[in-house]
Amino acid sequence: GAGVSQSPRYKVAKRGQDVALRCDPISGHVSLFWYQQALGQGPEFLTYFQNEAQLDKSGLPSDRFFAERPEGSVSTLKIQRTQQEDSAVYLCASSLPRQGTNSYEQYFGPGTRLTVT
Amino acid sequence: AQTVTQSQPEMSVQEAETVTLSCTYDTSESDYYLFWYKQPPSRQMILVIRQEAYKQQNATENRFSVNFQKAAKSFSLKISDSQLGDAAMYFCAYNIASGTYKYIFGTGTRLKVLA
Repeated sequence: GAGVSQSPRYKVAKRGQDVALRCDPISGHVSLFWYQQALGQGPEFLTYFQNEAQLDKSGLPSDRFFAERPEGSVSTLKIQRTQQEDSAVYLCASSLPRQGTNSYEQYFGPGTRLTVT
Repeated sequence: AQTVTQSQPEMSVQEAETVTLSCTYDTSESDYYLFWYKQPPSRQMILVIRQEAYKQQNATENRFSVNFQKAAKSFSLKISDSQLGDAAMYFCAYNIASGTYKYIFGTGTRLKVLA
């Protein structure tokens, strides 16, 4: 596709429910990132994939958060037993290190706004 | 600790005027990249401009330019001839040229453009 897409755009969950957020990166992009953006704040790193390998999950706030990218393209961020503090926008970004340019800019999707009631 | 500070929560500028958004960062790394992203209400983060830390020359992209002061760890964004469409949240970010290349973002500056 032309850009990074995410679905759903909006999700309302009752406290205690499980949710799954999907990210379709730009075709061929090797790297995929998940960020959490609380209201009025900048995005904060959650986890990073290089192809299907999850190389960094240091930003995941608890063991209720789980991410996967089984075939190295589409990724899913799953939150189990959602809590009110999980309410935020979840942004996905992809990038492809370009040989010889040393430019590692990330391309972002529109995000999923999660509201936990 | 790696941090990015944007000390201006909100800025206003008259249409066609110039505005400067400030950003400072803290890192012990020597090789890194700096970015300014724009986030309109649609939430889509759009890259405005980027700067490689090893380059002394300040980056420019049309009406957007940066003032990069490596020793001071400062990376300000200047928007010239401001347009109504420039109104958005602006985030400063950097990543280290190794490891995961994850971004560290500032808290953002909301820019209002007055007609």
